[in-house]
Amino acid sequence: DAKTTQPNSMESNEEEPVHLPCNHSTISGTDYIHWYRQLPSQGPEYVIHGLTSNVNNRMASLAIAEDRKSSTLILHRATLRDAAVYYCILRDTFSGNTGKLIFGQGTTLQVKP
Amino acid sequence: DAGITQSPRYKITETGRQVTLMCHQTWSHSYMFWYRQDLGHGLRLIYYSAAADITDKGEVPDGYVVSRSKTENFPLTLESATRSQTSVYFCASSATSGTRTDTQYFGPGTRLTVL
Repeated sequence: DAKTTQPNSMESNEEEPVHLPCNHSTISGTDYIHWYRQLPSQGPEYVIHGLTSNVNNRMASLAIAEDRKSSTLILHRATLRDAAVYYCILRDTFSGNTGKLIFGQGTTLQVKP
Repeated sequence: DAGITQSPRYKITETGRQVTLMCHQTWSHSYMFWYRQDLGHGLRLIYYSAAADITDKGEVPDGYVVSRSKTENFPLTLESATRSQTSVYFCASSATSGTRTDTQYFGPGTRLTVL
């Protein structure tokens, strides 16, 4: 399975944008990039996913590098409720057969008021 | 919209006892999953199910048994609990057939402590 690398932790101020990076230099051409987050004492929740083009939804934006070796999750205005562990996950053909998600350590985002 | 629920939310048991963790989803999703989350290991897949009466092993299945007689329920049983099974257990479901674009929806988790 292709691996992802994320910083262990990041800090942000409330109401400021947050850019969460993810490196995936061994990504294959058919891997989708997914982001999930896990709020304290809760199960993970889906945030966004993309293949090549940048993606936007109500929660966040996903910016994917042209060579697809890195991506950035963008929270446009961080709130205290966005404090969570953010996971960048690649969905490849193998994991797609079982549907399993391969979670790394993720980035712990702290949001300061 | 109840979504996906797990019970109990917290459980303390003793080594050697049988424990069953329940998972129920109201969406009629085909796929269901059980993960465990431990410090230093992230979330790891225990078992998954593609449909009623179809189950298969994940990464860490030893010591666990699952069944799926109804689409909406996916119980996980620890036949003889061990201390190494102390963990937080998450159930998840997915509507589609585990493709690269499907979304998984997770329950709130069950914190299990084995003494």
